[in-house]
Amino acid sequence: SQQGEEDPQALSIQEGENATMNCSYKTSINNLQWYRQNSGRGLVHLILIRSNEREKHSGRLRVTLDTSKKSSSLLITASRAADTASYFCATKKEAAGNKLTFGGGTRVLVKP
Amino acid sequence: EAGVAQSPRYKIIEKRQSVAFWCNPISGHATLYWYQQILGQGPKLLIQFQNNGVVDDSQLPKDRFSAERLKGVDSTLKIQPAKLEDSAVYLCASSSHRGLKNEQFFGPGTRLTVL
Repeated sequence: SQQGEEDPQALSIQEGENATMNCSYKTSINNLQWYRQNSGRGLVHLILIRSNEREKHSGRLRVTLDTSKKSSSLLITASRAADTASYFCATKKEAAGNKLTFGGGTRVLVKP
Repeated sequence: EAGVAQSPRYKIIEKRQSVAFWCNPISGHATLYWYQQILGQGPKLLIQFQNNGVVDDSQLPKDRFSAERLKGVDSTLKIQPAKLEDSAVYLCASSSHRGLKNEQFFGPGTRLTVL
């Protein structure tokens, strides 16, 4: 079963706009990671946020984590056509080695 | 640094046939993973190796799927016999150490179509 569930399932925005997607999970985690997948580059790691962190930034990406609500959000600011991809959250449970459990993904289309 | 290599990139077979996928992880990465990604879904872990030992194969359908990593480097994933529902992209990933908060590096995947 999927640990993380992304919302929305699909998102269409204009270039320059911000894109926000959410991820909810069910059990306690060690960290939560966001990955991007497009046909050109496969699945690529974007950012990792640990369970004791609340917010993290990387370039145009901003990730938040609320462990009390078991949810995370990924914000892409000033989107570009190249950001068109599917975005997945993946959770690493406590004491689970490096096993990641992926959600179903959010498909983002950035229109030029 | 070379990435994770997989072959073949595409494979079309008929149901009940056998198929094998190959993965070469990033040099020095001790941990190797095989994922199944059905169209429209996220990747699902099938099996995780630490060197040549299996760490987790709880979601591997062992009646038809098998995987090995004999020398702790390359790995093969086999399906025998294939079913229609096995149509998916099979992703291989590697990471440098089990238990640490390390990212996983993914290969391009093998797209399997079972007719």
